[in-house]
Amino acid sequence: DQQVKQNSPSLSVQEGRISILNCDYTNSMFDYFLWYKKYPAEGPTFLISISSIKDKNEDGRFTVFLNKSAKHLSLHIVPSQPGDSAVYFCAARSFGNEKLTFGTGTRLTIIP
Amino acid sequence: GAGVSQSPRYKVTKRGQDVALRCDPISGHVSLYWYRQALGQGPEFLTYFNYEAQQDKSGLPNDRFSAERPEGSISTLTIQRTEQRDSAMYRCASSLMAGSGTGELFFGEGSRLTVL
Repeated sequence: DQQVKQNSPSLSVQEGRISILNCDYTNSMFDYFLWYKKYPAEGPTFLISISSIKDKNEDGRFTVFLNKSAKHLSLHIVPSQPGDSAVYFCAARSFGNEKLTFGTGTRLTIIP
Repeated sequence: GAGVSQSPRYKVTKRGQDVALRCDPISGHVSLYWYRQALGQGPEFLTYFNYEAQQDKSGLPNDRFSAERPEGSISTLTIQRTEQRDSAMYRCASSLMAGSGTGELFFGEGSRLTVL
């Protein structure tokens, strides 16, 4: 049972345009969400997070939006740069539980 | 060290052998986590520690898997009587303290285990 779903295995975006990565979850107990970025042969690195009490969190070129009623979150990258090419994982956890549940990842390719 | 260090980076073993994977977390990080990642999947939680205490081992698949962190720093994940289905990337992560700040985990580069 995949509780965190990233339905797009891959995405290609022109440099300078907006990249939108999507994530859906089924567990209503999840109250904290994170995005990780992973380059080949490296471990995932933390990108941005959002608590369920918010619907938006912004950090530079990266913005995460949370729609609790739809159990959906998205990561917006604008403008997209070649260095953003990586696999992006969505992750979630519930209050008082340190276990992170990850999605299967979306491979983002930025086309110069 | 500067980051989370895992060893060995690659391990090939025969079915039935025991393996031990080591993780050296970022200095001063209280919490240490083990995840397993199969090809094309996201990391899957195995267990985590605060200091030397194992707080949650609900993700360990069966009793062939165990983990320890005896002095609250370096951790070892041991898989006994390995099976082919154990083949995966095993990732260790650490954080300052579970539940603090952004919840950011710092991951190591992983140990890739192949069971023949």
